Amino acid sequence: NAGVMQNPRHLVRRRGQEARLRCSPMKGHSHVYWYRQLPEEGLKFMVYLQKENIIDESGMPKERFSAEFPKEGPSILRIQQVVRGDSAAYFCASSPGEGLREKLFFGSGTQLSVL
Amino acid sequence: GENVEQHPSTLSVQEGDSAVIKCTYSDSASNYFPWYKQELGKGPQLIIDIRSNVGEKKDQRIAVTLNKTAKHFSLHITETQPEDSAVYFCAAPGGGADGLTFGKGTHLIIQP
Repeated sequence: NAGVMQNPRHLVRRRGQEARLRCSPMKGHSHVYWYRQLPEEGLKFMVYLQKENIIDESGMPKERFSAEFPKEGPSILRIQQVVRGDSAAYFCASSPGEGLREKLFFGSGTQLSVL
Repeated sequence: GENVEQHPSTLSVQEGDSAVIKCTYSDSASNYFPWYKQELGKGPQLIIDIRSNVGEKKDQRIAVTLNKTAKHFSLHITETQPEDSAVYFCAAPGGGADGLTFGKGTHLIIQP
């Protein structure tokens, strides 16, 4: 039973490029959360999605950031025109839902470095 | 929304001693309190959790206690070992449609 899979593990982009981060939830999980972690800080909520729906994006910047979780395939966090301040570790978590939304299982993260 | 405070930010203990990490939360309606362990270069891993209908839960060397009146909960690790060295995060419901709001983390260092 594979856990939450994220790729790539490391992503290097130059300022102005686009970054695409992928997350495949655990088998049977239909709820996906994206969190951002800066060095020496905790995890900050960005967005919560279910299949084909964004449920809560209150933690995601209004510009340049978007997320999707299509009917088929992984969830994608997309950052357009990256800036140095976007450099961080991005973690995806999934949950079984159905009253167990709090029980989150995390992937290994994508470390984004913007040059 | 929920606000979770965690302390200390760094904790150094001798191998074999106990470690205690404390968290407070703000929303009295919160009813689920997990603890995550994050090793270098890895994602957070759930190590223990507690629901508000119990005051204590134990799993081998780790335990969590909850004081709902005071709105705080603690992680206790006994007989610490080198592999316990990591960053530990507490959390409480909040932060997006019943997801989790996290504390800022405690860097636990086990000294040989």
